[in-house]
Amino acid sequence: DAGVIQSPRHEVTEMGQEVTLRCKPISGHDYLFWYRQTMMRGLELLIYFNNNVPIDDSGMPEDRFSAKMPNASFSTLKIQPSEPRDSAVYFCASSLGGASGYTFGSGTRLTVV
Amino acid sequence: SQKIEQNSEALNIQEGKTATLTCNYTNYSPAYLQWYRQDPGRGPVFLLLIRENEKEKRKERLKVTFDTTLKQSLFHITASQPADSATYLCALDPDSGGYQKVTFGTGTKLQVIP
Repeated sequence: DAGVIQSPRHEVTEMGQEVTLRCKPISGHDYLFWYRQTMMRGLELLIYFNNNVPIDDSGMPEDRFSAKMPNASFSTLKIQPSEPRDSAVYFCASSLGGASGYTFGSGTRLTVV
Repeated sequence: SQKIEQNSEALNIQEGKTATLTCNYTNYSPAYLQWYRQDPGRGPVFLLLIRENEKEKRKERLKVTFDTTLKQSLFHITASQPADSATYLCALDPDSGGYQKVTFGTGTKLQVIP
């Protein structure tokens, strides 16, 4: 397996634009997570899915953020409209659940100017 | 409120020595505690998981302890090598309701000096 695949690796966009981040989890993993990492706050859980169903989105900072998982092999995180304070590295991770660790993707570095 | 604390300062040690990293938590009852390694520009990589009823776990040169009374986990790397230089993150999983919701510490940066 190629691991968790995220795209794009880097994204630079202007304030107010829509940004879509993509993730392909490991096949067979029932859980998918979206995290955001900044120097100040570390890794923050935004939302997670179990069997394609959103379970907890309490970490999504505002209504500008939305996430979908239309099938077991694909998820998106959308920010509309984007703001400079959204600049961070966004990670997708997947897991089998239970006493298993997470497999993270390489992340998307988002810069909003 | 729930809090996870890791050494905020970077840890510098000499090659060959044992590195010990600390993870403390408050107002939390984790079922599992995990350790990850993160290199610059990369996602965290899972290293070890220890359950609340386990005192110690080993994997090659890595050893993790978990003291639920002290609310602390220690992560040891024996015979450290420059290639072990990275940021190490601990993560707590309450495993409540059958769903995972892991919270990460901010990490400790380890530098192994040749």
